[in-house]
Amino acid sequence: GAGVSQSPSNKVTEKGKDVELRCDPISGHTALYWYRQRLGQGLEFLIYFQGNSAPDKSGLPSDRFSAERTGESVSTLTIQRTQQEDSAVYLCASSLILGQTEAFFGQGTRLTVV
Amino acid sequence: AQSVTQLGSHVSVSEGALVLLRCNYSSSVPPYLFWYVQYPNQGLQLLLKYTTGATLVKGINGFEAEFKKSETSFHLTKPSAHMSDAAEYFCAVKNNFNKFYFGSGTKLNVKP
Repeated sequence: GAGVSQSPSNKVTEKGKDVELRCDPISGHTALYWYRQRLGQGLEFLIYFQGNSAPDKSGLPSDRFSAERTGESVSTLTIQRTQQEDSAVYLCASSLILGQTEAFFGQGTRLTVV
Repeated sequence: AQSVTQLGSHVSVSEGALVLLRCNYSSSVPPYLFWYVQYPNQGLQLLLKYTTGATLVKGINGFEAEFKKSETSFHLTKPSAHMSDAAEYFCAVKNNFNKFYFGSGTKLNVKP
């Protein structure tokens, strides 16, 4: 596609429910990143995919968080048993592997846990 | 590991005044450096990037940044602020393993 697409754009869920966030990267982008941005704060790294493997998942905050990627395409970030502190904007970005290339960001998914 | 420090979480300037947003990084190898802008309720948009070559990099909307290896800095400047520049700005460094490290961001306020 023309840009990184994330869905849904907004999600309100009840505490304890599971949610799935989707990211469609730019076609041909091997690298894919998930970040979390809490209100008024910076970007918190969650996980990085190269192809469908995740060489760096050091940022996942707990075992309630998981992510997968199909080939060099769609990625889903799953949060199980959501908590109020999970409320944030979840940003996805994709990039070519070439070192000097930038990351292209989606518009984000705003998750609100009530 | 790399880290990025942005001095000043909030910067306020008058319209027409110089904008200076500071970014320092730590890196053991020459890095790839980026500045992104985030407007309210939007994703991040690339302003400019330094890869190799000329140390003064020009970006969109009249912004530029200078890579100073001796100071490990990559400060963002714009000679004359416009109201539309009000946004949050993030400095980022990319390491050899394709991981991006972002600073904590600087919110720019432009006063009329």
